[in-house]
Amino acid sequence: QVQLVQSGAEVKKPGASVKVSCKASGYTFTSYDIIWVRRATGQGLEWIGGMNPYSGNTDYAQEFQGRVTMTINTSISTAYMELSSLRSDDTAVYYCARWAAALDYWGQGALVTVSS
Amino acid sequence: SYELTQPPSVSVSPGQTASITCSGDKLEYKYACWYQQKPGQSPVLLIYQDSKRPSGVPVRFSGSTSGNTATLTISGTQALDEADYYCQAWDSSTVVFGGGTKLTVL
Repeated sequence: QVQLVQSGAEVKKPGASVKVSCKASGYTFTSYDIIWVRRATGQGLEWIGGMNPYSGNTDYAQEFQGRVTMTINTSISTAYMELSSLRSDDTAVYYCARWAAALDYWGQGALVTVSS
Repeated sequence: SYELTQPPSVSVSPGQTASITCSGDKLEYKYACWYQQKPGQSPVLLIYQDSKRPSGVPVRFSGSTSGNTATLTISGTQALDEADYYCQAWDSSTVVFGGGTKLTVL
């Protein structure tokens, strides 16, 4: 069965970086884009960007341009999302999801807390 | 940038029909998806390509799009349907989410 398993919760100081991983299983990793979404407390879902594991092409939301880097390691079917220059308003649950005509499978989420 | 607009909240009595709208420019020419998210859980896909329901999603959930508005309809709403609902579409290689609608079943 398709699964996306994310890394655990992180606590970071303002200005630091965080790297969240997303390990896929149960399907051919290079056949579907991986999308990253976050949800801050009291807010809605926010698209961060996405990556095509086959081509390596990325698309980032304008709000995160210059701060986000998405990478993949196809040998271990894992996608990564690194966000730098963290601010308190980056505190949120970060999700990876598979795109197959929709975001059909989601990871369990990784809570990133930014606090001094 | 492209925007999708949802009502912040919708209330419905158990057993009744709930409708959640999502408005966006020329939405009928983009495929709309709908997701349900309950507290502490990851979002779940309910509807894709405007009206298709993935296997395992109850038949009481249905979707439609006309003009600039996509609608998620929940027939025979149950208490367990109380959740946040989000519409989503693509625009110019960008994933766009609506602001979300909190469905209260009372």
